[in-house]
Amino acid sequence: SQTIHQWPATLVQPVGSPLSLECTVEGTSNPNLYWYRQAAGRGLQLLFYSVGIGQISSEVPQNLSASRPQDRQFILSSKKLLLSDSGFYLCAWSVLPDRQHFGDGTRLSIL
Amino acid sequence: DAKTTQPNSMESNEEEPVHLPCNHSTISGTDYIHWYRQLPSQGPEYVIHGLTSNVNNRMASLAIAEDRKSSTLILHRATLRDAAVYYCILSRGGINQGGKLIFGQGTELSVKP
Repeated sequence: SQTIHQWPATLVQPVGSPLSLECTVEGTSNPNLYWYRQAAGRGLQLLFYSVGIGQISSEVPQNLSASRPQDRQFILSSKKLLLSDSGFYLCAWSVLPDRQHFGDGTRLSIL
Repeated sequence: DAKTTQPNSMESNEEEPVHLPCNHSTISGTDYIHWYRQLPSQGPEYVIHGLTSNVNNRMASLAIAEDRKSSTLILHRATLRDAAVYYCILSRGGINQGGKLIFGQGTELSVKP
């Protein structure tokens, strides 16, 4: 069966520090991969998606970047975190045109 | 991307059916209608999706209007575990679009015992 792993579950970082969040998927090949952010309140914002290794599409201009070094690995990064980067970060995978499967998320607090 | 409109919140009694409405008047012919739900501090969970015909699965039913400009998620017997935020989302098909889901604000469903 397919599983998705996201870590860490919670993270507290100072302003200006770097960030690396990792997401890995098991049990499927060549999935589409997604990074979302959910600020306080509802609504998830799609940040990046990838249809293959090395292929990244950015949905909104921001302080973050994404990379896909392997088929089932998706990394969200920042060189210098801002206060506005706080939020709940979710990784998801899908095999079109089926459903998206979400990880348990990382709650990021910037101090 | 086509948008959806949902009520901000709804209430239901346990063991009763729940009908969650969604309007998507600008839907295009290749847009799938997806429903996800999210419990507090968890990632969203897939509920159901469809294109034109009504759909049923073990979790819910999806009723799609004939003109596809609205749809209704039906929970046949609400339980306390169904209390969540429910998102109605349009996903444009096609590999070039990446199967993107554009989340709105959703409907917060509360279930009373």
